[in-house]
Amino acid sequence: AQSVSQHNHHVILSEAASLELGCNYSYGGTVNLFWYVQYPGQHLQLLLKYFSGDPLVKGIKGFEAEFIKSKFSFNLRKPSVQWSDTAEYFCAVILNSGNTPLVFGKGTRLSVIA
Amino acid sequence: NAGVTQTPKFRVLKTGQSMTLLCAQDMNHEYMYWYRQDPGMGLRLIHYSVGEGTTAKGEVPDGYNVSRLKKQNFLLGLESAAPSQTSVYFCASSVPGTGGRGYTFGSGTRLTVV
Repeated sequence: AQSVSQHNHHVILSEAASLELGCNYSYGGTVNLFWYVQYPGQHLQLLLKYFSGDPLVKGIKGFEAEFIKSKFSFNLRKPSVQWSDTAEYFCAVILNSGNTPLVFGKGTRLSVIA
Repeated sequence: NAGVTQTPKFRVLKTGQSMTLLCAQDMNHEYMYWYRQDPGMGLRLIHYSVGEGTTAKGEVPDGYNVSRLKKQNFLLGLESAAPSQTSVYFCASSVPGTGGRGYTFGSGTRLTVV
């Protein structure tokens, strides 16, 4: 069965620090990958997604992620975080065919302090 | 265009009470899903449906039942609520075969069982 691992449960950064959140998945077939964000008290929002092509994908709010197929990884990055990036971040994977449900990691809580 | 609408948004139940959560989508999506979100656990799939009249179990189906009598609606039922079912419930819908492109989430239902 597919699984998604997010290695960091809680990350605390100062404003302007760089961010990298790890995500690894277990499925060896063709997958599509997503990062979602959930701001405090809000519902899920899509940050970015990878389907094919350039393995470096750019999303909203300055986030980017790199798909490394050989490492089964899809790490999220941002060069300089802001206080407003405080949120929970979820990595998710789905088969390329899209006929099975989206599988989520356990999430990483990011706290950005001034 | 509302997308995916969940009702109610908040609910407090006493142990042993029953209730039904409603998910409605107006995008003519074939697939619908119910997830629960708990701290440190990410989103876990409860049940899903690949079409009107069909349902399937997800990762954590115990204590829940679902029905998909109409394509646009997916109901999640708790027959006898338990404190362990205190959670935030998210509904989602998608188009099959699109690799998650059309995955759309509702805004969630926060359920507390006392």
